[in-house]
Amino acid sequence: GEDVEQSLFLSVREGDSSVINCTYTDSSSTYLYWYKQEPGAGLQLLTYIFSNMDMKQDQRLTVLLNKKDKHLSLRIADTQTGDSAIYFCAESIGWTALIFGKGTTLSVSS
Amino acid sequence: SQTIHQWPATLVQPVGSPLSLECTVEGTSNPNLYWYRQAAGRGLQLLFYSVGIGQISSEVPQNLSASRPQDRQFILSSKKLLLSDSGFYLCAWSVTSDSFLSSYNSPLHFGNGTRLTVT
Repeated sequence: GEDVEQSLFLSVREGDSSVINCTYTDSSSTYLYWYKQEPGAGLQLLTYIFSNMDMKQDQRLTVLLNKKDKHLSLRIADTQTGDSAIYFCAESIGWTALIFGKGTTLSVSS
Repeated sequence: SQTIHQWPATLVQPVGSPLSLECTVEGTSNPNLYWYRQAAGRGLQLLFYSVGIGQISSEVPQNLSASRPQDRQFILSSKKLLLSDSGFYLCAWSVTSDSFLSSYNSPLHFGNGTRLTVT
């Protein structure tokens, strides 16, 4: 069945780069997404990548997709304390819904 | 621009009581609508989705139900709450664009969530 796996925690120092990894199982996924959730809030779409792309860059965010290994990563350059949050990886299933991972809690220390 | 409203923000209900959570979307027509639940340490679980008025797909068997009485209104209900229904409930919307070759579903956009505690 469909499944999205992420490591649960990542701790970095302010100014360093953060890399959050994700693996998914459905090779027919059309789009893959990264969402950010701050405490007590809903999910905010950060970025997404079409499955025929290898990389997408958006300011401090870089998404890498290895379709062969079904591996997705999110790199945050120059990580700031305001980046502390839970980051969810998600894959599209069919054309209606998304399947989410359990989320990676990013902790940024100054 | 499109906005999504979800209420209430927090809710404390006793076991066995009914539930009604409401979600409305503005600024778009015929959206796909979703209810997700986020339990501690378990990520997001898709509960229901709807592609049109009166069309509801259920992903998980449980004592919850969903209805879509209007195009941009999605309601999550229960006749009798269980302790295990506690969690953070998120409503979301997307739109489907049809091209000659395929349909494309936009990313999901989420509301601010409802924190439900069943006591």
